[in-house]
Order: sequence, then structure tokens, then C-alpha cells
Amino acid sequence: DAGVTQSPTHLIKTRGQQVTLRCSPKSGHDTVSWYQQALGQGPQFIFQYYEEEERQRGNFPDRFSGHQFPNYSSELNVNALLLGDSALYLCASSLRSQAYEQYFGPGTRLTVT
Amino acid sequence: DAKTTQPTSMDCAEGRAANLPCNHSTISGNEYVYWYRQIHSQGPQYIIHGLKNNETNEMASLIITEDRKSSTLILPHATLRDTAVYYCIVTRGGADGLTFGKGTHLIIQP
Repeated sequence: DAGVTQSPTHLIKTRGQQVTLRCSPKSGHDTVSWYQQALGQGPQFIFQYYEEEERQRGNFPDRFSGHQFPNYSSELNVNALLLGDSALYLCASSLRSQAYEQYFGPGTRLTVT
Repeated sequence: DAKTTQPTSMDCAEGRAANLPCNHSTISGNEYVYWYRQIHSQGPQYIIHGLKNNETNEMASLIITEDRKSSTLILPHATLRDTAVYYCIVTRGGADGLTFGKGTHLIIQP
């Protein structure tokens, strides 16, 4: 049973560029959440997708957007990258009915130069 | 969501019980206490959760005080692989995103 997978593992972008990160949820899960983790900090909630719609959103600007596909996989898009967007981006999947038990992927390390 | 307070770091000897405290004095009646941990270079891992009763699973035990203003996560026989950052999270649960603080860095000493 595959766990949560994310791609790419690492990414280097230049300020002002756009980036797309991808996530495949654990088999059987229907809900995907995205988190940003800066160095030395705990993960910060970006948003959550269920039934291909954004259901909850944390305190992140509109430069952060997402999508969920019919197969429950998800993408996180960040436009107009800032140096402060450098972080580990974590995807977590869960069942809608058991959203407290989230399974996290290994993350994508984004560096903005 | 209620705010939580955890010690920045703790040490524990291998084979001993590790007791990680968490204060959540502003917790509401419908809020749960969740614990996650994050081993270096990995995503967080769910450990256990509870509302007001003590809970136990294969990984740990969760003791919640009667007034629910604090809780303790207990790892009964700590191993070196339990070295990680442990996060105490209080939330209504359901579809809410999780709010992580800085957690407690638990170091298991050989």
C-alpha cells in the first residue's frame, strides 16, 4: 500500500518565477492538505482539498493556489516567488471522516534564490 | 484553536519512559488533543489523540488531566528511533487544518 508521495524532492527557483509541486495521496484517501515548514519551525497549514474543491485555507496569500484531480492527487502552485517562500512543502492525506489522522509525505524542499 | 505550550527540548535515557508535557489551558469543550512527531528529514507522523479520557495505542499513551488544561504523552520504553520533535495540537478536528507550534525536541540518550 503506497504511502503519500511528493515530487520533486528538491527544487531551486529564482525570485519572481512560478512553481508547481505535486502530491499523490495514500491509497484510499480522499482529502489532501498542504503545509509549509520553514527551517526550525513547525508546519503551517496552507489549504485543504476535498472533492476537487478548496475547503479550508490558512493565512497564506492568493499567490498560493492548488488543485485536486478526480484521482485525488493534488498540486500546489506558487506564483511570483519570494525569497521567503523557501521552505519544505508537505502534503498530507486523510479520509474526510478521519481528518485528524493525516499521513504526511516526505516533502519538497523549495529554495528560492 | 487553543494555544499549546511545550518545553523546547527534553532528554530521556533509552529504555526508560519518556513523558512529554503539554499545557493547553484555553482548550474548549469540543477540542481534541492530538500528538504528532517529526523525525529528522521526514514528514510528521500521527501518534495519538483524545478528548477527555486517557488513550493508549501501540505507540504511546495519552493522559489528559480532569480539567483538560494539560496532557502528557508517554512513550513507555523509549528507543533511539524515538528521537524526534513532538507536537501537541489542540483543535476541533474534523476538516480543520492542523496548527503546529515549535514542539518539543526529544532526544533519547543511549
